[in-house]
Amino acid sequence: DAGITQSPRHKVTETGTPVTLRCHQTENHRYMYWYRQDPGHGLRLIHYSYGVKDTDKGEVSDGYSVSRSKTEDFLLTLESATSSQTSVYFCAISESSRQNSPLHFGNGTRLTVT
Amino acid sequence: SQQGEEDPQALSIQEGENATMNCSYKTSINNLQWYRQNSGRGLVHLILIRSNEREKHSGRLRVTLDTSKKSSSLLITASRAADTASYFCATEAGANNLFFGTGTRLTVIP
Repeated sequence: DAGITQSPRHKVTETGTPVTLRCHQTENHRYMYWYRQDPGHGLRLIHYSYGVKDTDKGEVSDGYSVSRSKTEDFLLTLESATSSQTSVYFCAISESSRQNSPLHFGNGTRLTVT
Repeated sequence: SQQGEEDPQALSIQEGENATMNCSYKTSINNLQWYRQNSGRGLVHLILIRSNEREKHSGRLRVTLDTSKKSSSLLITASRAADTASYFCATEAGANNLFFGTGTRLTVIP
């Protein structure tokens, strides 16, 4: 799985609580991404990073923040979880920009917000 | 939206048969990628085809791209039960964006 570890793999949390998901890579790739996958929507990009402390928004970034203090770690934070954020979250990495190189995905975190 | 859309949404075939799934998109692209997702796992990259390529092969996989029709197809030959998965196309179109379709669910019956 290209050296990508997501934690936790499953989480149940209550509405209004903060949640942080972690993505750790051992490939030393520059680019890291957070996607969410929901039925009928395919994968949608939340945020991505193109280097340490360099991040940008994706198409569904509202309600989410990210941080990348080290090359190997990319954190996704839900400041105040809502039921609409119940989803499966995938981290992905790529050696160069998505335009030219494939993405390698972790195995996901299933988040349930009650 | 320039999201790629796969067709059919679901496909069920017997082991040994060929499986064909299609992807249509709406705007010009630089390349198109196909991914596979097994149940409960992340996506796995299968193949990338550039806009100036018409066909590409990788093992039992054959991908075609018709930019005039804004469509691509993925053919899996001599399917195996292990090919059971969802298959997604992802289209790239400048500005460092990558859009995924909703996938074709392939079931290969032993």
